[in-house]
Amino acid sequence: DAGVTQSPTHLIKTRGQHVTLRCSPISGHKSVSWYQQVLGQGPQFIFQYYEKEERGRGNFPDRFSARQFPNYSSELNVNALLLGDSALYLCASSRQANTEAFFGQGTRLTVV
Amino acid sequence: QKEVEQNSGPLSVPEGAIASLNCTYSDRGSQSFFWYRQYSGKSPELIMSIYSNGDKEDGRFTAQLNKASQYVSLLIRDSQPSDSATYLCAVTAPSNDYKLSFGAGTTVTVRA
Repeated sequence: DAGVTQSPTHLIKTRGQHVTLRCSPISGHKSVSWYQQVLGQGPQFIFQYYEKEERGRGNFPDRFSARQFPNYSSELNVNALLLGDSALYLCASSRQANTEAFFGQGTRLTVV
Repeated sequence: QKEVEQNSGPLSVPEGAIASLNCTYSDRGSQSFFWYRQYSGKSPELIMSIYSNGDKEDGRFTAQLNKASQYVSLLIRDSQPSDSATYLCAVTAPSNDYKLSFGAGTTVTVRA
């Protein structure tokens, strides 16, 4: 079975631009969560979706938004990019909202 | 107080020795506990999950949970150079809608 897949793997954007990151969960998994990881820190929770509904939102500005599609894939959108948004963005999928979570390979976003 | 705290590293152990990693958490209602391994430049990989007090063994890894002390640990027996990585402790709780709360990680280096 394929694991969690994220695209793109690397991305360079300019301040003020918009970015869309994509995630396909493991087959049969209905929950997708997004995390931001900066160097030297653990991942920080951004959003969780389960059955296409938002189940949780972390302490991130409204520039961050996400959605989950009927096939359980998900998109993370970030508007008006700042230099501080440069990080590894991780998608995790799980069967349900409170079960083991498995991460994709991540998207390395660099804002210049 | 941070939600999840891990003993500061880096931790250097000789090949064949036991590496001991510690983690404490602040939410007494936490229910699920995970250890992830993250190689440099890669995404976190789930290596252990534990839900009830006591020990759980999987190969060379043993996770220990003490909910009364709000403490979870990971032992790596017969450490190998391939175990050199950052180990992340993660906790979920109903109060946080089961989001993964991560510690900052402990970097382990196994000396050949």
